[in-house]
Amino acid sequence: DQQVKQNSPSLSVQEGRISILNCDYTNSMFDYFLWYKKYPAEGPTFLISISSIKDKNEDGRFTVFLNKSAKHLSLHIVPSQPGDSAVYFCAASATNYGQNFVFGPGTRLSVLP
Amino acid sequence: KAGVTQTPRYLIKTRGQQVTLSCSPISGHRSVSWYQQTPGQGLQFLFEYFSETQRNKGNFPGRFSGRQFSNSRSEMNVSTLELGDSALYLCASTGTSGYGEQFFGPGTRLTVL
Repeated sequence: DQQVKQNSPSLSVQEGRISILNCDYTNSMFDYFLWYKKYPAEGPTFLISISSIKDKNEDGRFTVFLNKSAKHLSLHIVPSQPGDSAVYFCAASATNYGQNFVFGPGTRLSVLP
Repeated sequence: KAGVTQTPRYLIKTRGQQVTLSCSPISGHRSVSWYQQTPGQGLQFLFEYFSETQRNKGNFPGRFSGRQFSNSRSEMNVSTLELGDSALYLCASTGTSGYGEQFFGPGTRLTVL
């Protein structure tokens, strides 16, 4: 039973446009969420996080939105650049459970020039 | 500040053998987590160590074990290797508080023949 779902295995976006990556979770105990980017042959790179006390967090071109009632979060990348082409993972944890992060299966983003 | 390092980067073993992987966290980080990444299963949490104690454990058989040393370096051991253990093993460290975003190493690619 997947507790963290990323229902789109892949996404293609034109350079300069907005990329929206979605993530759904089922465990209501999750209260801390992370997004990672992964290039081939490298470990995941932390992008941005959000805790359940917020509904939005912004860092440069990256914004994460959290809808707790829907158990849904999304990552917006504006404007998208070819270097953003990678696999994006969302991860969730329940703070009281320590550093036990549950990762989604990932979405492969392709930004077309 | 140096990142998370993992050794070796690549490893080939045969069924029935055992293997030890090493991870050096970012200086000052006290939490080290291990993940297994396979194409079909994504990133699966193995275990987390904090101050030399296992704080969290995922759903893996007892053949998978780990430890953490006083300098926060961690090792992961897999005994009686099976073909299905072929995967990318990722180590991640977390800041001094022991909670929050994880910083990943490049991983060790294990192939079991």
